[in-house]
Amino acid sequence: GQQLNQSPQSMFIQEGEDVSMNCTSSSIFNTWLWYKQDPGEGPVLLIALYKAGELTSNGRLTAQFGITRKDSFLNISASIPSDVGIYFCAGQLEAAQGGSEKLVFGKGTKLTVNP
Amino acid sequence: GAVVSQHPSRVICKSGTSVKIECRSLDFQATTMFWYRQFPKKSLMLMATSNEGSKATYEQGVEKDKFLINHASLTLSTLTVTSAHPEDSSFYICSAVGLVYEQYFGPGTRLTVT
Repeated sequence: GQQLNQSPQSMFIQEGEDVSMNCTSSSIFNTWLWYKQDPGEGPVLLIALYKAGELTSNGRLTAQFGITRKDSFLNISASIPSDVGIYFCAGQLEAAQGGSEKLVFGKGTKLTVNP
Repeated sequence: GAVVSQHPSRVICKSGTSVKIECRSLDFQATTMFWYRQFPKKSLMLMATSNEGSKATYEQGVEKDKFLINHASLTLSTLTVTSAHPEDSSFYICSAVGLVYEQYFGPGTRLTVT
């Protein structure tokens, strides 16, 4: 089945630093989504990307939908302690490939921010 | 933003009993909801797709007779874990599909089977 390769698996950074994480796949996706999950909580949608090449920002977060439609990255600028958590990428398949609204998730990037 | 709730947030039950988990979309209608299971330090594993007014579609390896899903309205889907066993202990999360196919997740339900 489809898989998303998300990297890095974990990151330890100092407060104020910028962060970058990415996801790649051998499959083409028509939507990329980035979520953040805090311990014991459900994932919270951060950014949704719908078009190849699209660059979208949400506050200190910026994400891009790769032009090949097989990858996406998420950047966090000027990290703060509350950015701590696990970040998941998720791709939604093209309808032509038999996809629906189902998502394929990456394995997550665990972010630790030291004050 | 879109809000999805789950109830209960935590439940402890004895082996052999059944547990029902509710998932509600509070401020939008969702013809499609999803149920996931998440093990510690792992990503989300899709269990089934819940479609309003029709039978759920289960992922390979998920027992439909054990995990009963009902999507009776556009704002409510329920997951019933029947004859629960300790190996069913997990974090169960639902999501509801918004207007542009983005998924909004509930806060999750921690199930512990003793």
